[in-house]
Amino acid sequence: DGGITQSPKYLFRKEGQNVTLSCEQNLNHDAMYWYRQDPGQGLRLIYYSQIVNDFQKGDIAEGYSVSREKKESFPLTVTSAQKNPTAFYLCASSPGLLAKNIQYFGAGTRLSVL
Amino acid sequence: GDSVTQMEGPVTLSEEAFLTINCTYTATGYPSLFWYVQYPGEGLQLLLKATKADDKGSNKGFEATYRKETTSFHLEKGSVQVSDSAVYFCALSDTGSEKLVFGKGTKLTVNP
Repeated sequence: DGGITQSPKYLFRKEGQNVTLSCEQNLNHDAMYWYRQDPGQGLRLIYYSQIVNDFQKGDIAEGYSVSREKKESFPLTVTSAQKNPTAFYLCASSPGLLAKNIQYFGAGTRLSVL
Repeated sequence: GDSVTQMEGPVTLSEEAFLTINCTYTATGYPSLFWYVQYPGEGLQLLLKATKADDKGSNKGFEATYRKETTSFHLEKGSVQVSDSAVYFCALSDTGSEKLVFGKGTKLTVNP
């Protein structure tokens, strides 16, 4: 059953702590994306990766880091430098430009600060 | 830069009412246009798409026509159901761009 799996569904962060959100896809897609969703603000792009071992900053990369060591995986770390991390985080993947950048989304991780 | 503007919500309708959610865009190239839907607590799902002018995308009774002359891609459904209650996002992908640009979303509530 192909798709995108995000884990955990809910995550709590203590002050000064780094946390990592997992995103795995078995769609054989080259491109992967991380978005942050806040109420009334739509989706904002954090990081994206078009190919293994390469990634680019999106519109709100400060306080976040990513890695792309495998095609299937694109974990997002929310660092202690991100002062307002409470949000719903969405991961997506895409076959790329030839598919008009259609993106397929995971079910999301809701991050809260304790 | 590229942008997408959606009508402000929330939108509240009775079951079987007609739905229109307006979406206009600004792009430098020849974008592909999308509507995504997000049900409560879930990720986004692609609802429909159109890749060139005058194309009509359709799915599950929803339709949208790519109008280049008015730079619009309005979402319509003739008879909404309670199960259509969700947030709807209009998005574009410009020529050669690796990214999608999203509108802010429109929350639809359908009452029985």
